[in-house]
Amino acid sequence: DVKVTQSSRYLVKRTGEKVFLECVQDMDHENMFWYRQDPGLGLRLIYFSYDVKMKEKGDIPEGYSVSREKKERFSLILESASTNQTSMYLCASEGGARYGNQPQHFGDGTRLSIL
Amino acid sequence: AQSVTQLDSQVPVFEEAPVELRCNYSSSVSVYLFWYVQYPNQGLQLLLKYLSGSTLVKGINGFEAEFNKSQTSFHLRKPSVHISDTAEYFCAVRVRGSNYKLTFGKGTLLTVNP
Repeated sequence: DVKVTQSSRYLVKRTGEKVFLECVQDMDHENMFWYRQDPGLGLRLIYFSYDVKMKEKGDIPEGYSVSREKKERFSLILESASTNQTSMYLCASEGGARYGNQPQHFGDGTRLSIL
Repeated sequence: AQSVTQLDSQVPVFEEAPVELRCNYSSSVSVYLFWYVQYPNQGLQLLLKYLSGSTLVKGINGFEAEFNKSQTSFHLRKPSVHISDTAEYFCAVRVRGSNYKLTFGKGTLLTVNP
């Protein structure tokens, strides 16, 4: 089974802090994704990466950046945390050819609170 | 651009009753369709997917979905639900051969009562 591991289940940070959310997958998948999930809004794509050192903006990239230095690890960075970034953050990975027909595999999420 | 509408935000049912969770999508081109389930305090798990071929797709835990191209729908069904099916269900669509973007609906919370 594919394993996607997010480093923290719960995280509390203060406004203005730089926050790192880490995600590691163990299946040598090319594609990795960061979503945020908010009640009534479903999942919204923040950033994705289809190769090491490659990244693409999703629907809501403002206030976030990402890093992918190794294939198995995809980090989400909140440069200066704000209260409106309090949310559930989900990481996903996906393998296979670039035809869009493979399912995404999700981590258990990080519930981030910004005070 | 594609979009997904899940017509019900909450669906309460009694145990052993049948259930249908509705999903409609819009896209001008061919798509792949997915249903995911999220149990409390967990990430999403794939229930089933439609890629091509038979329009009736069977998934895990006794769920199935039917792709209807003319109505652009992909409704999820189960003939008899259990308490353990209580979860949030997400429909998702992706344009065939596209650049990896998966568009999710806003979710339907299924609550199974004893």
